Amino acid sequence: ETGVTQTPRHLVMGMTNKKSLKCEQHLGHNAMYWYKQSAKKPLELMFVYNFKEQTENNSVPSRFSPECPNSSHLFLHLHTLQPEDSALYLCASSQNTGTENEAFFGQGTRLTVV
Amino acid sequence: SQQGEEDPQALSIQEGENATMNCSYKTSINNLQWYRQNSGRGLVHLILIRSNEREKHSGRLRVTLDTSKKSSSLLITASRAADTASYFCATVKAAGNKLTFGGGTRVLVKP
Repeated sequence: ETGVTQTPRHLVMGMTNKKSLKCEQHLGHNAMYWYKQSAKKPLELMFVYNFKEQTENNSVPSRFSPECPNSSHLFLHLHTLQPEDSALYLCASSQNTGTENEAFFGQGTRLTVV
Repeated sequence: SQQGEEDPQALSIQEGENATMNCSYKTSINNLQWYRQNSGRGLVHLILIRSNEREKHSGRLRVTLDTSKKSSSLLITASRAADTASYFCATVKAAGNKLTFGGGTRVLVKP
C-alpha cells in the first residue's frame, strides 16, 4: 500500500460513454500526476499538477480532461474515447515537482474501451 | 524519443541467482530512479541515484551509474520468487523535474 488510492480498479466503457477516474492521496504531497501505460510502450506522462495548478499537459487529446480540486484529489474525466485509449492509467504523487522526488503510484485503473 | 531504455527486455533466472539489468539514456540527468511493477499494478520506488554518485546499495539491490556512458545498472542479488516483476528506470533531466520512464525489463525468478 503506497498511500495513493485509485478507483475504480477496472472500467469498461463504450466509445460514447462519459466516465471519471479518481485518485486520492493522504501523504501530504503537493504534486500529482496521471500516466498512461499501454502494452509494449513506455509509461507516458499525461498531466502534472502542482499545488492544484496544472503545470504540464503532454499533448494529451481533449477527450481526456483532468481536474484537481485540491492537493489530495485528482480526477481524469473521459468522454468519447477510442479503443486505442484502452490502457492502465496510473496516478502518482510526490512531495513536490522538485528534481529528487520519488513518485508514489496508485494501483492503477485498467480501462477497456469497447 | 525515449530517454531510458532497459536491456534486456526480459530475463529468466533461478531463485538464488543474481539478476542484472541495464538502462541507457540520451541526455544529461539530475538523477536516475529504479521502480518495480508487479503485474498490472502500480510502480514502487526502489532507489534513487544522483548524477554525482557512482554506486548505491539498498538491501539486495545494487545500482551503478556511469554518466560518461549514460548508463545505469540494477543488480538484484540472491533473487527470490517474489522478485518476479517488471523493473523500470526513470530519469530526471538536469534542467527539469519530470520522470521519463524506459520500457522496462520483465524479470521471472523461477523457484
